[in-house]
Amino acid sequence: GEDVEQSLFLSVREGDSSVINCTYTDSSSTYLYWYKQEPGAGLQLLTYIFSNMDMKQDQRLTVLLNKKDKHLSLRIADTQTGDSAIYFCAESWGNNRLAFGKGNQVVVIP
Amino acid sequence: DARVTQTPRHKVTEMGQEVTMRCQPILGHNTVFWYRQTMMQGLELLAYFRNRAPLDDSGMPKDRFSAEMPDATLATLKIQPSEPRDSAVYFCASGGLAGAGGTTGELFFGEGSRLTVL
Repeated sequence: GEDVEQSLFLSVREGDSSVINCTYTDSSSTYLYWYKQEPGAGLQLLTYIFSNMDMKQDQRLTVLLNKKDKHLSLRIADTQTGDSAIYFCAESWGNNRLAFGKGNQVVVIP
Repeated sequence: DARVTQTPRHKVTEMGQEVTMRCQPILGHNTVFWYRQTMMQGLELLAYFRNRAPLDDSGMPKDRFSAEMPDATLATLKIQPSEPRDSAVYFCASGGLAGAGGTTGELFFGEGSRLTVL
């Protein structure tokens, strides 16, 4: 399978911005995704970006894609306590499978 | 609203027992995935079905794990015999093919089945 790398832990104060980074390996991925997992729940799609885009903005979320470096980031503006979760990036690869990173735990401090 | 349903939500069993986890994918989705989540390994893909046919189960220990889709509304993951190292959260996810009907290949996850093998 493909290899998706993420850092593991981030703490951020409520109201600040948080940035989560990810590197991926398959340059032919059509879509790249950010999923959110709250405690005791499954993963939910937060946002995605098509591989021919550099940036996508969706309310408080900004996704940046650097195809040359195979680097994906998610910026959450005005971070709120409800944003505390594990965030996974994922890339699409052969036969419509998704390869997930190990996840980045975000803890929002009130 | 449409969602992936998994049962049981929690299962505690003893080593050597058979465990069966069930998943009802979202109606109309033609791909079904089984993932296992642990602290050490993160999310591992165990098996993948398209139109009920198994396409990839290379991530699954073949000697004890089996995955099937008896019909379009049910996917099962069976472990026999179970071992303590199988303790994890098992997720089922379903989706449509990217590009088909405008879908983006995203997956919809169930709430997971937390398995503890003593």
